[in-house]
Amino acid sequence: TQLLEQSPQFLSIQEGENLTVYCNSSSVFSSLQWYRQEPGEGPVLLVTVVTGGEVKKLKRLTFQFGDARKDSSLHITAAQPGDTGLYLCAGADNAGNMLTFGGGTRLMVKP
Amino acid sequence: DTGVSQDPRHKITKRGQNVTFRCDPISEHNRLYWYRQTLGQGPEFLTYFQNEAQLEKSRLLSDRFSAERPKGSFSTLEIQRTEQGDSAMYLCASSPSSGSSYNEQFFGPGTRLTVL
Repeated sequence: TQLLEQSPQFLSIQEGENLTVYCNSSSVFSSLQWYRQEPGEGPVLLVTVVTGGEVKKLKRLTFQFGDARKDSSLHITAAQPGDTGLYLCAGADNAGNMLTFGGGTRLMVKP
Repeated sequence: DTGVSQDPRHKITKRGQNVTFRCDPISEHNRLYWYRQTLGQGPEFLTYFQNEAQLEKSRLLSDRFSAERPKGSFSTLEIQRTEQGDSAMYLCASSPSSGSSYNEQFFGPGTRLTVL
């Protein structure tokens, strides 16, 4: 069974601060996706990382896939209140048949 | 709007009743997935379809749950004899079966089920 652990579970910071969210597993994934979810809505895809060591940037968000494709991180620079939400990482199996999600990191950015 | 749609968005039912949810995937996507998300947790995989064929089912999908995708387009998820433990957000996602976005799944807004 593939498991993904996210840390921290909760994070409350002031506007302008930087933060990093971690997603770790003992399993290798063919790709890893990061989603953001608002209350009462479905997850919205932010990025997909596929290659070990890959780094992708999306404005103030930087995503990294570990060299061994077992872990990933999301770094947010100068967080804004609009970044508030639940951040989920999800690993895809080799066939892309299902996603295994982490438990999520609930981020609150205070103005 | 060409994204994944789900209906209804909210459903309140009494224990023992049957409920059915519908998912319309992105039109050109062959794969359709169902997930369940309880409060404070990440989504958990339930089942997925490649066109009309149901190819994988999770152990979470008890005998009271059944999913169909008869024409390879929309899908339905039925829960029979609902229990309070079935209360959750039921999420549908779709993805193309090939190409660079092979593993990317796009989610609908979910159906929030409350069993009283």
